[in-house]
Amino acid sequence: NAGVTQTPKFRILKIGQSMTLQCTQDMNHNYMYWYRQDPGMGLKLIYYSVGAGITDKGEVPNGYNVSRSTTEDFPLRLELAAPSQTSVYFCASSYSGAGNTGELFFGEGSRLTVL
Amino acid sequence: AQSVSQHNHHVILSEAASLELGCNYSYGGTVNLFWYVQYPGQHLQLLLKYFSGDPLVKGIKGFEAEFIKSKFSFNLRKPSVQWSDTAEYFCASPMDTGRRALTFGSGTRLQVQP
Repeated sequence: NAGVTQTPKFRILKIGQSMTLQCTQDMNHNYMYWYRQDPGMGLKLIYYSVGAGITDKGEVPNGYNVSRSTTEDFPLRLELAAPSQTSVYFCASSYSGAGNTGELFFGEGSRLTVL
Repeated sequence: AQSVSQHNHHVILSEAASLELGCNYSYGGTVNLFWYVQYPGQHLQLLLKYFSGDPLVKGIKGFEAEFIKSKFSFNLRKPSVQWSDTAEYFCASPMDTGRRALTFGSGTRLQVQP
């Protein structure tokens, strides 16, 4: 099983550029999430989705956009990259609300550097 | 919004030493709490979880955690650590009463020296 797959694994952007981090899962999970991880800060939720066509903001949504056109895919878009968006991004999924089960399945992460 | 806090940012232990990592939560209602681990170069995985009942919960690899309601704490413990326990550990709780997402603590980096 592939689980949660993220691409790219590494990317360097210039300030002002845009890009999309791709995330796909093959577990037929309804819930999908994007977190960013910064040293000493833990993981912060950017956006999440409870099903196709439904998205909601997390703790740190500014500067990002998401869409959920299918159950499998949950891309994260950065429109105008800023140095503050340098981080490691994790996509995750769960069958039902992660607050109920606690079971999040994470991808391997995407390391983004904005210069 | 609910939150969790971890006050130990970096812990260094020798093999066979006992481990206790602190986690405090903010919410006073029904509490679900979790510990996640991130081994070097790997993604996060669930270590153990607490929903209700026995306040002492056991997880994988010999880890356990105790829920103490009066102290708003859910500390992670292991009697004897191994070098392979070197990792970053995160406490987590539901972000809000909707329980659709998790909020994580800032993490504790554990380094076990052989």
